[in-house]
Amino acid sequence: NAGVMQNPRHLVRRRGQEARLRCSPMKGHSHVYWYRQLPEEGLKFMVYLQKENIIDESGMPKERFSAEFPKEGPSILRIQQVVRGDSAAYFCASSPRTGERTGTEAFFGQGTRLTVV
Amino acid sequence: SQKIEQNSEALNIQEGKTATLTCNYTNYSPAYLQWYRQDPGRGPVFLLLIRENEKEKRKERLKVTFDTTLKQSLFHITASQPADSATYLCALPPSSSASKIIFGSGTRLSIRP
Repeated sequence: NAGVMQNPRHLVRRRGQEARLRCSPMKGHSHVYWYRQLPEEGLKFMVYLQKENIIDESGMPKERFSAEFPKEGPSILRIQQVVRGDSAAYFCASSPRTGERTGTEAFFGQGTRLTVV
Repeated sequence: SQKIEQNSEALNIQEGKTATLTCNYTNYSPAYLQWYRQDPGRGPVFLLLIRENEKEKRKERLKVTFDTTLKQSLFHITASQPADSATYLCALPPSSSASKIIFGSGTRLSIRP
């Protein structure tokens, strides 16, 4: 059972271009989280998705950022018209279920390092 | 809203000593709390989960305590080794008012030989 797969591992985009980050959760996992991390800083929540549904996007900037988790295929985090401040590591995590009492751990991918030049 | 704080940004200790990391939370009564390890350039890896009815949990040289009265968890690494050097993150589960897993900002632990 492969772990959480994120690609690409490194992505370089010029200002104004679009960045598409992909995350394939572990087999059987229907819950996906996206986090952003700046150097020397902690993980900042962006969005929580279940298959075909956005459950919580309270950490997503209102403009230029969007996320999806279709019925088939990986979860996609899309950043339109990237700016230098979007440069960061973006981590995806998956879990089979989640809840206040279920105690399920999150499995993380290795991240995509986005550099905007 | 729930808040989680790891009040040591960095901790440096001598090899062989016990490292103790602190995690405090507010505005929440979680059913459990998790600890993760993150190495540079890699994603976090789950280490331990402790439930509200467990005072202490052990795994090899790791020990976690959970004090629901103080709203605090302590993470101990005994007989520390340079290979234990990493950033350690505590995490709160989703709640009735927030569906996301909330992570602390992490404590960067350095074990010197």
